[in-house]
Amino acid sequence: AQKVTQAQTEISVVEKEDVTLDCVYETRDTTYYLFWYKQPPSGELVFLIRRNSFDEQNEISGRYSWNFQKSTSSFNFTITASQVVDSAVYFCALKGNTGFQKLVFGTGTRLLVSP
Amino acid sequence: DVKVTQSSRYLVKRTGEKVFLECVQDMDHENMFWYRQDPGLGLRLIYFSYDVKMKEKGDIPEGYSVSREKKERFSLILESASTNQTSMYLCASILRGGTQGKEQYFGPGTRLTVT
Repeated sequence: AQKVTQAQTEISVVEKEDVTLDCVYETRDTTYYLFWYKQPPSGELVFLIRRNSFDEQNEISGRYSWNFQKSTSSFNFTITASQVVDSAVYFCALKGNTGFQKLVFGTGTRLLVSP
Repeated sequence: DVKVTQSSRYLVKRTGEKVFLECVQDMDHENMFWYRQDPGLGLRLIYFSYDVKMKEKGDIPEGYSVSREKKERFSLILESASTNQTSMYLCASILRGGTQGKEQYFGPGTRLTVT
């Protein structure tokens, strides 16, 4: 069975603080894909990043960075110098090695960034 | 840009009513999905469709049915709405991608309240 765990239900930070959102996954597939999505108050999930299981390079995109570690089955997301606009619910998701594009989502982490 | 639209942002229905939630995508995607989102549970897959007239049950199909008569449209049907179906419903679509992981594109969601 596949599973994604986001243990942090809600995180509150003050603007300009760095914050890391944790994601731990379980799968028996050797090939799999990991995703992060952002859900702002408007409700629509916005795709942030995709990583396949063979690519353990960390990725940086502006203030966002992702740390993928197969040894600990984790795919953590860090926001540097957080801003109020980063306030949202963030979901980590997993797709295993099947033909259908089914995603297994974590329960999400609500990030509140106050001015 | 891919656009996924849902017929209503907010909907209030009475127990026992038949409810239709419509989703339309404009990018000729083969795969379409219906999720429900509940606090503390994340997104859970109700049904998905990989082609016209094709459908597969997701993780929580009980109480729901779907219809895919045209490629661009995927409808979720609550045959007899119940209060435990009060939730946020999200539609998503994606190009057929085989085993390769691709990002799903989401609609803005429909917040359904059943009284």
